[in-house]
Amino acid sequence: AQSVTQLDSQVPVFEEAPVELRCNYSSSVSVYLFWYVQYPNQGLQLLLKYLSGSTLVKGINGFEAEFNKSQTSFHLRKPSVHISDTAEYFCAVSSLYNQGGKLIFGQGTELSVKP
Amino acid sequence: GAVVSQHPSWVICKSGTSVKIECRSLDFQATTMFWYRQFPKQSLMLMATSNEGSKATYEQGVEKDKFLINHASLTLSTLTVTSAHPEDSSFYICSVWLAEGDEQFFGPGTRLTVL
Repeated sequence: AQSVTQLDSQVPVFEEAPVELRCNYSSSVSVYLFWYVQYPNQGLQLLLKYLSGSTLVKGINGFEAEFNKSQTSFHLRKPSVHISDTAEYFCAVSSLYNQGGKLIFGQGTELSVKP
Repeated sequence: GAVVSQHPSWVICKSGTSVKIECRSLDFQATTMFWYRQFPKQSLMLMATSNEGSKATYEQGVEKDKFLINHASLTLSTLTVTSAHPEDSSFYICSVWLAEGDEQFFGPGTRLTVL
């Protein structure tokens, strides 16, 4: 079984400051890792994903994440945030052996960017 | 990617009535769709996996007789909340799964309020 822990429920940050949203996972098998963003009253949009290859993954809107197998982490980073980045962010994992792409989500991190 | 729509986007109903939510894959034939529910300020919880032409697979603790899922075509899955009660009020989100790339594409969600 897999599980995902997002270590911060809320992250307030000022505009143009860097931000890191932390995600740790637990799994007995190899996994795929994802970060999604959710704006109020909307569905989820994929920011980036790690399937294999380079451990540094670049996504949309200037976000990137680094897969660290030894620390079982997949932290999301952005060097300079904008007001428009204010949203809920979800880390998710699926198993390489999962039939049908079932995702396990973390609890979510609310990013609040202040002017 | 796939474009996913949900209808209705919001619905208010009286306790005891049934509500049907549609999830459509507009540009992609989806063998597998997922249904999630999300309570305020919480993460997405997988309710069931909807497979075209076969019975849905429900997650532990989800009542299959209360949350009826039909996936009659490759572009449409429906979730019917039968005899809805106030505790069923939630945000319901569907997704379609693209096996190539192991990615889910999410609908915009349906806000259900049961009075």
